[in-house]
Amino acid sequence: IAGITQAPTSQILAAGRRMTLRCTQDMRHNAMYWYRQDLGLGLRLIHYSNTAGTTGKGEVPDGYSVSRANTDDFPLTLASAVPSQTSVYFCASSSLAGWDEQFFGPGTRLTVL
Amino acid sequence: AQSVTQLDSQVPVFEEAPVELRCNYSSSVSVYLFWYVQYPNQGLQLLLKYLSGSTLVKGINGFEAEFNKSQTSFHLRKPSVHISDTAEYFCAVTEGSGGYQKVTFGIGTKLQVIP
Repeated sequence: IAGITQAPTSQILAAGRRMTLRCTQDMRHNAMYWYRQDLGLGLRLIHYSNTAGTTGKGEVPDGYSVSRANTDDFPLTLASAVPSQTSVYFCASSSLAGWDEQFFGPGTRLTVL
Repeated sequence: AQSVTQLDSQVPVFEEAPVELRCNYSSSVSVYLFWYVQYPNQGLQLLLKYLSGSTLVKGINGFEAEFNKSQTSFHLRKPSVHISDTAEYFCAVTEGSGGYQKVTFGIGTKLQVIP
Protein backbone atom coordinates (compact mmCIF):
# COMPACT_ATOMS: atom_id res chain seq x y z
CA ILE A 1 0.00 0.00 0.00
CA ALA A 2 1.30 3.46 -0.88
CA GLY A 3 -0.67 6.54 0.20
CA ILE A 4 -4.42 6.17 0.46
CA THR A 5 -6.52 3.35 -0.89
CA GLN A 6 -10.29 3.28 -1.23
CA ALA A 7 -12.63 0.39 -1.89
CA PRO A 8 -14.68 -0.31 -3.83
CA THR A 9 -13.75 1.68 -6.94
CA SER A 10 -17.38 1.87 -7.92
CA GLN A 11 -20.68 0.46 -6.70
CA ILE A 12 -24.30 0.40 -7.76
CA LEU A 13 -26.60 0.12 -4.78
CA ALA A 14 -30.34 -0.26 -4.30
CA ALA A 15 -32.00 2.41 -2.20
CA GLY A 16 -32.44 1.37 1.41
CA ARG A 17 -29.36 -0.84 1.47
CA ARG A 18 -26.49 -0.36 3.87
CA MET A 19 -23.06 0.34 2.42
CA THR A 20 -19.60 0.89 3.86
CA LEU A 21 -16.90 2.66 1.89
CA ARG A 22 -13.43 1.71 3.02
CA CYS A 23 -10.42 3.99 3.33
CA THR A 24 -6.92 3.04 4.46
CA GLN A 25 -3.77 5.18 4.66
CA ASP A 26 -0.21 4.09 5.35
CA MET A 27 1.31 7.51 6.01
CA ARG A 28 0.53 7.54 9.76
CA HIS A 29 -1.43 10.76 9.33
CA ASN A 30 -3.40 11.93 12.32
CA ALA A 31 -6.25 13.59 10.41
CA MET A 32 -8.61 11.92 7.94
CA TYR A 33 -11.56 13.24 5.97
CA TRP A 34 -14.45 12.11 3.80
CA TYR A 35 -15.71 14.33 0.98
CA ARG A 36 -18.36 13.96 -1.66
CA GLN A 37 -17.89 15.55 -5.06
CA ASP A 38 -20.92 16.58 -7.08
CA LEU A 39 -21.10 18.49 -10.36
CA GLY A 40 -21.31 22.22 -9.76
CA LEU A 41 -20.88 21.86 -6.00
CA GLY A 42 -17.21 20.98 -5.73
CA LEU A 43 -16.02 19.05 -2.70
CA ARG A 44 -18.10 19.00 0.46
CA LEU A 45 -16.85 17.64 3.76
CA ILE A 46 -18.99 14.85 5.22
CA HIS A 47 -17.04 13.84 8.34
CA TYR A 48 -13.54 14.22 9.66
CA SER A 49 -11.28 12.79 12.33
CA ASN A 50 -8.39 14.62 13.97
CA THR A 51 -6.96 11.50 15.57
CA ALA A 52 -7.83 7.89 16.26
CA GLY A 53 -10.86 7.65 18.53
CA THR A 54 -12.35 11.05 17.62
CA THR A 55 -14.66 12.11 14.80
CA GLY A 56 -16.54 15.24 13.85
CA LYS A 57 -19.31 16.35 11.53
CA GLY A 58 -18.58 18.28 8.39
CA GLU A 59 -20.80 20.27 6.07
CA VAL A 60 -23.11 17.44 4.92
CA PRO A 61 -23.13 14.67 7.58
CA ASP A 62 -26.77 13.57 7.43
CA GLY A 63 -27.22 9.95 6.39
CA TYR A 64 -23.55 9.10 6.96
CA SER A 65 -21.54 7.79 9.89
CA VAL A 66 -17.83 7.18 10.44
CA SER A 67 -15.55 5.49 12.92
CA ARG A 68 -11.84 5.78 13.64
CA ALA A 69 -10.77 2.74 15.61
CA ASN A 70 -7.12 3.12 14.60
CA THR A 71 -4.83 5.54 12.77
CA ASP A 72 -4.95 3.86 9.38
CA ASP A 73 -8.63 3.16 8.72
CA PHE A 74 -11.57 5.53 8.35
CA PRO A 75 -14.68 3.78 6.98
CA LEU A 76 -17.77 5.71 5.88
CA THR A 77 -21.15 4.01 6.31
CA LEU A 78 -24.44 4.81 4.64
CA ALA A 79 -27.00 3.18 6.93
CA SER A 80 -29.88 3.31 4.42
CA ALA A 81 -28.82 4.65 1.05
CA VAL A 82 -30.95 7.18 -0.85
CA PRO A 83 -30.61 8.34 -4.48
CA SER A 84 -29.34 11.78 -3.37
CA GLN A 85 -26.25 10.02 -2.05
CA THR A 86 -25.22 9.19 -5.60
CA SER A 87 -21.83 10.86 -5.84
CA VAL A 88 -18.09 10.35 -6.02
CA TYR A 89 -16.61 9.93 -2.56
CA PHE A 90 -13.04 10.86 -1.70
CA CYS A 91 -11.11 10.00 1.41
CA ALA A 92 -8.17 12.20 2.37
CA SER A 93 -5.59 12.46 5.12
CA SER A 94 -3.11 15.01 6.44
CA SER A 95 -0.33 14.98 8.98
CA LEU A 96 -1.67 18.02 10.86
CA ALA A 97 -5.30 19.03 11.02
CA GLY A 98 -6.12 21.68 8.42
CA TRP A 99 -3.03 23.68 7.55
CA ASP A 100 -1.03 20.86 6.04
CA GLU A 101 -1.79 19.56 2.58
CA GLN A 102 -4.31 16.80 2.23
CA PHE A 103 -3.54 13.59 0.37
CA PHE A 104 -6.48 12.12 -1.53
CA GLY A 105 -7.49 8.61 -2.43
CA PRO A 106 -8.62 7.68 -5.95
CA GLY A 107 -12.32 7.91 -5.08
CA THR A 108 -15.37 5.65 -5.00
CA ARG A 109 -18.14 6.24 -7.52
CA LEU A 110 -21.44 5.33 -5.86
CA THR A 111 -24.77 5.11 -7.66
CA VAL A 112 -27.93 4.64 -5.59
CA LEU A 113 -30.97 3.52 -7.57
CA ALA B 1 -16.81 31.88 8.31
CA GLN B 2 -14.38 31.24 5.51
CA SER B 3 -15.43 30.85 1.88
CA VAL B 4 -13.80 30.45 -1.51
CA THR B 5 -15.01 31.73 -4.87
CA GLN B 6 -13.68 30.45 -8.15
CA LEU B 7 -15.06 32.86 -10.68
CA ASP B 8 -14.74 30.69 -13.77
CA SER B 9 -16.27 27.24 -14.01
CA GLN B 10 -14.54 26.52 -17.34
CA VAL B 11 -11.52 28.09 -19.02
CA PRO B 12 -10.60 27.09 -22.58
CA VAL B 13 -7.11 28.10 -23.71
CA PHE B 14 -4.91 27.25 -26.66
CA GLU B 15 -1.78 25.20 -26.15
CA GLU B 16 1.30 27.30 -25.32
CA ALA B 17 -0.85 30.29 -24.35
CA PRO B 18 -0.77 31.72 -20.81
CA VAL B 19 -3.59 31.07 -18.37
CA GLU B 20 -4.86 32.53 -15.12
CA LEU B 21 -7.41 30.78 -12.92
CA ARG B 22 -9.02 33.10 -10.43
CA CYS B 23 -9.66 32.47 -6.76
CA ASN B 24 -11.00 34.85 -4.14
CA TYR B 25 -11.50 34.00 -0.51
CA SER B 26 -13.30 35.45 2.46
CA SER B 27 -12.02 35.17 5.99
CA SER B 28 -11.81 37.31 9.10
CA VAL B 29 -8.47 35.89 10.19
CA SER B 30 -5.18 34.91 8.62
CA VAL B 31 -5.41 32.08 6.13
CA TYR B 32 -3.54 29.28 4.49
CA LEU B 33 -4.25 28.85 0.77
CA PHE B 34 -3.92 25.89 -1.54
CA TRP B 35 -4.38 24.95 -5.17
CA TYR B 36 -5.12 21.32 -6.01
CA VAL B 37 -5.41 19.65 -9.42
CA GLN B 38 -7.67 16.75 -10.34
CA TYR B 39 -6.97 14.79 -13.50
CA PRO B 40 -9.85 12.75 -14.97
CA ASN B 41 -10.93 9.83 -12.78
CA GLN B 42 -8.35 10.59 -10.12
CA GLY B 43 -8.23 12.15 -6.68
CA LEU B 44 -6.93 15.63 -5.99
CA GLN B 45 -3.24 16.34 -5.65
CA LEU B 46 -1.49 19.43 -4.35
CA LEU B 47 -0.14 21.96 -6.87
CA LEU B 48 1.10 24.58 -4.43
CA LYS B 49 0.34 26.22 -1.10
CA TYR B 50 0.80 29.52 0.70
CA LEU B 51 1.36 29.40 4.43
CA SER B 52 3.46 32.53 5.06
CA GLY B 53 6.42 34.49 3.70
CA SER B 54 6.82 35.37 0.03
CA THR B 55 3.50 36.08 -1.61
CA LEU B 56 4.58 34.46 -4.90
CA VAL B 57 4.42 30.72 -4.59
CA LYS B 58 5.80 28.29 -7.15
CA GLY B 59 4.35 24.85 -7.55
CA ILE B 60 4.69 21.76 -9.65
CA ASN B 61 4.34 21.59 -13.45
CA GLY B 62 5.33 25.24 -13.93
CA PHE B 63 2.35 26.72 -12.06
CA GLU B 64 2.61 29.66 -9.68
CA ALA B 65 0.19 31.68 -7.59
CA GLU B 66 0.29 35.05 -5.90
CA PHE B 67 -1.28 35.80 -2.56
CA ASN B 68 -2.83 39.26 -2.46
CA LYS B 69 -4.11 40.07 1.00
CA SER B 70 -5.68 43.42 0.10
CA GLN B 71 -7.68 41.86 -2.73
CA THR B 72 -8.21 38.57 -0.87
CA SER B 73 -7.11 36.69 -3.95
CA PHE B 74 -4.88 33.74 -4.77
CA HIS B 75 -4.91 33.46 -8.55
CA LEU B 76 -3.13 30.58 -10.28
CA ARG B 77 -1.03 31.24 -13.38
CA LYS B 78 1.03 29.43 -15.94
CA PRO B 79 2.91 31.24 -18.74
CA SER B 80 2.53 28.46 -21.31
CA VAL B 81 0.07 25.59 -20.98
CA HIS B 82 0.40 22.09 -22.32
CA ILE B 83 -2.23 19.57 -23.35
CA SER B 84 -1.41 17.59 -20.22
CA ASP B 85 -2.60 20.52 -18.07
CA THR B 86 -6.20 19.74 -19.02
CA ALA B 87 -7.77 19.04 -15.63
CA GLU B 88 -9.95 20.55 -12.94
CA TYR B 89 -8.32 22.95 -10.49
CA PHE B 90 -9.54 23.62 -6.98
CA CYS B 91 -8.66 26.52 -4.74
CA ALA B 92 -8.89 25.84 -0.99
CA VAL B 93 -8.57 27.91 2.18
CA THR B 94 -8.13 27.16 5.83
CA GLU B 95 -8.08 29.68 8.64
CA GLY B 96 -5.00 30.16 10.79
CA SER B 97 -6.56 29.86 14.22
CA GLY B 98 -6.02 27.28 16.93
CA GLY B 99 -7.42 23.80 17.00
CA TYR B 100 -8.93 21.87 14.10
CA GLN B 101 -8.63 23.74 10.81
CA LYS B 102 -11.56 23.19 8.48
CA VAL B 103 -10.58 23.33 4.82
CA THR B 104 -13.04 24.93 2.42
CA PHE B 105 -12.77 24.09 -1.26
CA GLY B 106 -13.99 26.14 -4.20
CA ILE B 107 -16.29 24.54 -6.74
CA GLY B 108 -13.45 24.06 -9.21
CA THR B 109 -12.37 25.43 -12.59
CA LYS B 110 -12.08 23.11 -15.55
CA LEU B 111 -9.10 24.01 -17.71
CA GLN B 112 -9.40 22.78 -21.27
CA VAL B 113 -6.24 23.12 -23.34
CA ILE B 114 -6.98 23.23 -27.05
CA PRO B 115 -4.34 21.86 -29.44
